[in-house]
Amino acid sequence: QSALTQPPSASGSPGQSVTISCTGTSSDVGGYDYVSWYQQHPGKAPKLMIYDVTRRPSGVPDRFSGSKSGNTASLTVSGLLAEDEADYYCSSYAGSSKPYVFGTGTTVTVL
Amino acid sequence: EVQLLESGGGLVQPGGSLRLSCAASGFNFNNYGMTWVRQAPGKGLEWVAVIGYSGGHINYADSVKGRFAISKDNSRNTVFLQMSSLRAEDTAVYYCAKVREEQRVGVGVDFWGQGALVTVSS
Repeated sequence: QSALTQPPSASGSPGQSVTISCTGTSSDVGGYDYVSWYQQHPGKAPKLMIYDVTRRPSGVPDRFSGSKSGNTASLTVSGLLAEDEADYYCSSYAGSSKPYVFGTGTTVTVL
Repeated sequence: EVQLLESGGGLVQPGGSLRLSCAASGFNFNNYGMTWVRQAPGKGLEWVAVIGYSGGHINYADSVKGRFAISKDNSRNTVFLQMSSLRAEDTAVYYCAKVREEQRVGVGVDFWGQGALVTVSS
């Protein structure tokens, strides 16, 4: 299956908010509430930031929030900090034969 | 504390084989599925394979189906990825990752290893 579509880049000033979209189809994002978001700093492993569309793992600041409408999921980072500058990837369940599909990735820059 | 440690990466010629291992600790390995995800240099994440908690549910990405095999040894808390007929486009950092919920497969992953670099080149 094709990768989920994310904008290549997004940016905001410290303290501002940035929202990243993740567009799929009714066979993945739109069909299930198993959307996750991962943060990846250069040279590091990804880190889970959001799961089940809106849930935050313990230890993840509440500045990170997730939502979904139709076939598009979104990650919002509020109150941007310099440490939020990273690549972000969405992921969704895509059915029993191909359980995982990742997004194309978005580089967030804190201006 | 969950820890995942990959090993077995390296340089291999096109058409060759390599086996990656991922040693897990800090959770009940018997009850969790495991996945492999790769990232080519400068590129995004690509799901490769998943195995259910007991080894009975296995799926592969189309790009590796028929060439890669995932397996799980619950007695050794280790998941493996046997890669054969390797191509230049398989060059990537390979991450193992733990499925987030017990006895589930597609709900997403929560913990990742640090990755193992596989380079396919002559």
